[in-house]
Amino acid sequence: GENVEQHPSTLSVQEGDSAVIKCTYSDSASNYFPWYKQELGKGPQLIIDIRSNVGEKKDQRIAVTLNKTAKHFSLHITETQPEDSAVYFCAASIRQAGTALIFGKGTTLSVSS
Amino acid sequence: ETGVTQTPRHLVMGMTNKKSLKCEQHLGHNAMYWYKQSAKKPLELMFVYNFKEQTENNSVPSRFSPECPNSSHLFLHLHTLQPEDSALYLCASSQDPSGGSNEQFFGPGTRLTVL
Repeated sequence: GENVEQHPSTLSVQEGDSAVIKCTYSDSASNYFPWYKQELGKGPQLIIDIRSNVGEKKDQRIAVTLNKTAKHFSLHITETQPEDSAVYFCAASIRQAGTALIFGKGTTLSVSS
Repeated sequence: ETGVTQTPRHLVMGMTNKKSLKCEQHLGHNAMYWYKQSAKKPLELMFVYNFKEQTENNSVPSRFSPECPNSSHLFLHLHTLQPEDSALYLCASSQDPSGGSNEQFFGPGTRLTVL
């Protein structure tokens, strides 16, 4: 079955710096890679996702890159702000409803001002 | 708000109690999921329902019993739980298969404590 590894487990940056979180996956059949942000007391919220036919996707300060050959994908946050502080999860699955998302263990991002 | 609501938000129960968690989605989705989130662990899938039919049971102990009466509602019935079952239980939903999407929307979760 699919296995997703996520690094680092914690990340501390200064406001305005960039943050990068990396994930690797094991199942070459996976073709959908979402990133979720979870704030204290809330459920995970989708912030960006990428399909396997795309190498990079950007949405304002957030970007995700995918290397299918190496089976890894990364989240890039530029110009970090204190409100970016949260736990970030990567996940992988086959792009089909009713299919489980396999999650990484999460990265706790702290942005200090 | 994601369009997925869960009640109660917090629950404390003894090991001999029976309780139920409720999830409702207002997004017109046809697939619903239960996940367990424990400290220091990845989110773990428990159950998947697709068009009200259970399509996956991820080796979950029988003390957890899901029920999906329709595409908008999902329950998790709990009985004779153990303290190690204490966790955040998250419900999610996603679009019907013909849409080809697995974008899952999560509710806020129920924080369960078993004494």
